[in-house]
Amino acid sequence: GAVVSQHPSRVICKSGTSVKIECRSLDFQATTMFWYRQFPKQSLMLMATSNEGSKATYEQGVEKDKFLINHASLTLSTLTVTSAHPEDSSFYICSARDGGGGQFFGPGTRLTVL
Amino acid sequence: KQEVTQIPAALSVPEGENLVLNCSFTDSAIYNLQWFRQDPGKGLTSLLLIQSSQREQTSGRLNASLDKSSGRSTLYIAASQPGDSATYLCAVRETSGSRLTFGEGTQLTVNP
Repeated sequence: GAVVSQHPSRVICKSGTSVKIECRSLDFQATTMFWYRQFPKQSLMLMATSNEGSKATYEQGVEKDKFLINHASLTLSTLTVTSAHPEDSSFYICSARDGGGGQFFGPGTRLTVL
Repeated sequence: KQEVTQIPAALSVPEGENLVLNCSFTDSAIYNLQWFRQDPGKGLTSLLLIQSSQREQTSGRLNASLDKSSGRSTLYIAASQPGDSATYLCAVRETSGSRLTFGEGTQLTVNP
């Protein structure tokens, strides 16, 4: 089946630093990738949708200057949390859509900002 | 605005039972519906994808049905095992290019 990887799986950083999370579709090309955020015991909240080679579309309330998304190729998208603060601590999950309309998710990245 | 509801929110069953998880959506004009599994602290694993033209999909002990007209889908798990313990999420996509709308999930515990 379609596999999506994320790196790193867990990151702890100091307040004010920037953190980059990579998302890769390993065995398929993904023209569209999604970034979600999940708080404990809650469902996924879509942050942004990115199409290869174009700017990401952010959901209402998501700061595009804080959550920088780059979708440079059909297999790679990155999310950079800039000047992270403790309230940015969360579980970040990326997802990629294949040509058949299915959507597949990465294993997630646990971000803890001290 | 599409809303997806999952009932029950939590379910605890003894090993070996057959069980049904329910998902309902408010707008029946969907493109497809997908069931996912999420283990604690992990990402989502796609279980079954049902296109709008289909009525059911099966994979091993899992069977998902779709009734678009009534805005419902069910996930049937046969002969449940402790390893099935996880949160099960359903999500609908309204058009080929739109986002997934998720339900809140059903947390399943299968007791040995």
